[in-house]
Amino acid sequence: DVKVTQSSRYLVKRTGEKVFLECVQDMDHENMFWYRQDPGLGLRLIYFSYDVKMKEKGDIPEGYSVSREKKERFSLILESASTNQTSMYLCASSSGQITDTQYFGPGTRLTVL
Amino acid sequence: GQQLNQSPQSMFIQEGEDVSMNCTSSSIFNTWLWYKQDPGEGPVLLIALYKAGELTSNGRLTAQFGITRKDSFLNISASIPSDVGIYFCAGTGGSQGNLIFGKGTKLSVKP
Repeated sequence: DVKVTQSSRYLVKRTGEKVFLECVQDMDHENMFWYRQDPGLGLRLIYFSYDVKMKEKGDIPEGYSVSREKKERFSLILESASTNQTSMYLCASSSGQITDTQYFGPGTRLTVL
Repeated sequence: GQQLNQSPQSMFIQEGEDVSMNCTSSSIFNTWLWYKQDPGEGPVLLIALYKAGELTSNGRLTAQFGITRKDSFLNISASIPSDVGIYFCAGTGGSQGNLIFGKGTKLSVKP
């Protein structure tokens, strides 16, 4: 079974703090994704990566950056957290084509005070 | 860009009832996926569809890839309380590089 894990289930940070969200997958998938999920807005793609050290902007990259130094790990970074970044963050991975089935982690609920 | 319209937004049903939800697109899709998200968890893949007209079942769940390639539906038969959650459709189209997600259908089941 595909396993995608996220470093924290719940996180509370203060405005202006630098925040790291980590995601690890154990299936040697080439592609990894970060989404945020907000009520009424569904899943919105922040960034994705199709290879180590490669990254592509999604639909809402502003205020975020990512890092993929190893194939199994994809980090989402909030350089200076703001209250409007309070959300559920979901990591996903897929193999092969970038459009192939994605498998999700359990999510990190981030609250920025 | 491409968008998916998923309906209904929410459903309140009695245990034992059948459920139907659907997604439509303004353009042709090559793949349709259905996910379920339990409260506080990440989405889990239920069914994947790859060919127009394809009808696939997974237990009490049945999903179909529309003949026009612009729609898909998911049916749940004889609902039970653990069916509660948010159901998402997702798809990929020719001009779009990534999976596109519908906004979800929130299902509530009364015992």
